[in-house]
Amino acid sequence: GQQVQQSPASLVLQEGENAELQCNFSSTATRLQWFYQHPGGRLVSLFYNPSGTKHTGRLTSTTVTNERRSSLHISSSQTTDSGTYFCAIDRRSGNYKYVFGAGTRLKVIA
Amino acid sequence: EAAVTQSPRSKVAVTGGKVTLSCHQTNNHDYMYWYRQDTGHGLRLIHYSYVADSTEKGDIPDGYKASRPSQENFSLILELASLSQTAVYFCASSDLGPRGAETLYFGSGTRLTVL
Repeated sequence: GQQVQQSPASLVLQEGENAELQCNFSSTATRLQWFYQHPGGRLVSLFYNPSGTKHTGRLTSTTVTNERRSSLHISSSQTTDSGTYFCAIDRRSGNYKYVFGAGTRLKVIA
Repeated sequence: EAAVTQSPRSKVAVTGGKVTLSCHQTNNHDYMYWYRQDTGHGLRLIHYSYVADSTEKGDIPDGYKASRPSQENFSLILELASLSQTAVYFCASSDLGPRGAETLYFGSGTRLTVL
């Protein structure tokens, strides 16, 4: 089945530092999303990025499909970036079954 | 912004009892999903639906039933709740972008404790 590995499992940064979160998957993904879970539990989509590079604010997602990996770069981290980041993959075109990784728990301290 | 509303926000159930979790979305999305999240873990898909009156099994359907009576509503039913079903349950809906892009919109979650 589809396996999604995320690394690191957890990360602590000083405010202002950059972070690089990794997502590796075992089968070709036709769809890939990055999600952010607030400390209180709410989940929001950050990027839909099955291939290439996308930017929004201080976040950059890069997916290299043929290498089965994606990364999420956070620049100039802020305390409000604290939370858990999930990568989710769907490899079956037309059938939206996303499989989630275990997440990277990020803590940014002032 | 798509709205997905779950109820209840939290629930305590007894082992062997019946539990129904409800989800309502207001953006005419075709797809709706139920995921569970265990502490410190990612989300796992229980059931999903792409049209009213039809549901599909996800990756961990055992012990759960789903119902999609209308496009807006999607319920998750635990006929005989068990201790192992203690978790946070998330409902989500999705749209189809012009190039097949898709964004999942999540509800706030239901924290279920089975005693």
